[in-house]
Amino acid sequence: GDSVTQMEGPVTLSEEAFLTINCTYTATGYPSLFWYVQYPGEGLQLLLKATKADDKGSNKGFEATYRKETTSFHLEKGSVQVSDSAVYFCALSAYNTDKLIFGTGTRLQVFP
Amino acid sequence: SQTIHQWPATLVQPVGSPLSLECTVEGTSNPNLYWYRQAAGRGLQLLFYSVGIGQISSEVPQNLSASRPQDRQFILSSKKLLLSDSGFYLCAWVPDRANTEAFFGQGTRLTVV
Repeated sequence: GDSVTQMEGPVTLSEEAFLTINCTYTATGYPSLFWYVQYPGEGLQLLLKATKADDKGSNKGFEATYRKETTSFHLEKGSVQVSDSAVYFCALSAYNTDKLIFGTGTRLQVFP
Repeated sequence: SQTIHQWPATLVQPVGSPLSLECTVEGTSNPNLYWYRQAAGRGLQLLFYSVGIGQISSEVPQNLSASRPQDRQFILSSKKLLLSDSGFYLCAWVPDRANTEAFFGQGTRLTVV
């Protein structure tokens, strides 16, 4: 069945470091892919999305590219800030069922 | 504007008691609706989703059920709670095509004692 696999956390970085959080997926057809973020004490909110192969989603300095050949959607940011500390969830929306599946989440901790 | 309401925020229930959690959406029609359970280390586990009134898809066979009696109402139920049903339950909605943004309720913290 459809699934999403994320790298386990926590990921601990110093401010201004480069961030990569890996995400791979298994799905039939052509799913849409998402990254959601949950800041401490808040609900989930959409960070970025990509709806077809080779699309790049971007927001707040974060980027992720839909790679069909490697079934991946890795999240990157060139220079993280303390305020980026949160839990990041990779998700897919199945093409023919509208099922919305999330990964296990990756906690990012950024220290000054 | 669209809003989602989920209640109650917290709930403590004894083992074997029934459960009813309600989620309603305002300001939209024919949304897709979802129930998730969020647990540490397991992320958001999809429990049920619905693409229309009376249409329920179950993802995880367990002690819970869901119903959608009205277009913008989604209910999570159990006849007899187990200790393992404890967790944080989230309701979410998206417009009628699920390749757009999902919006989440504030969640219900359920503790079964």
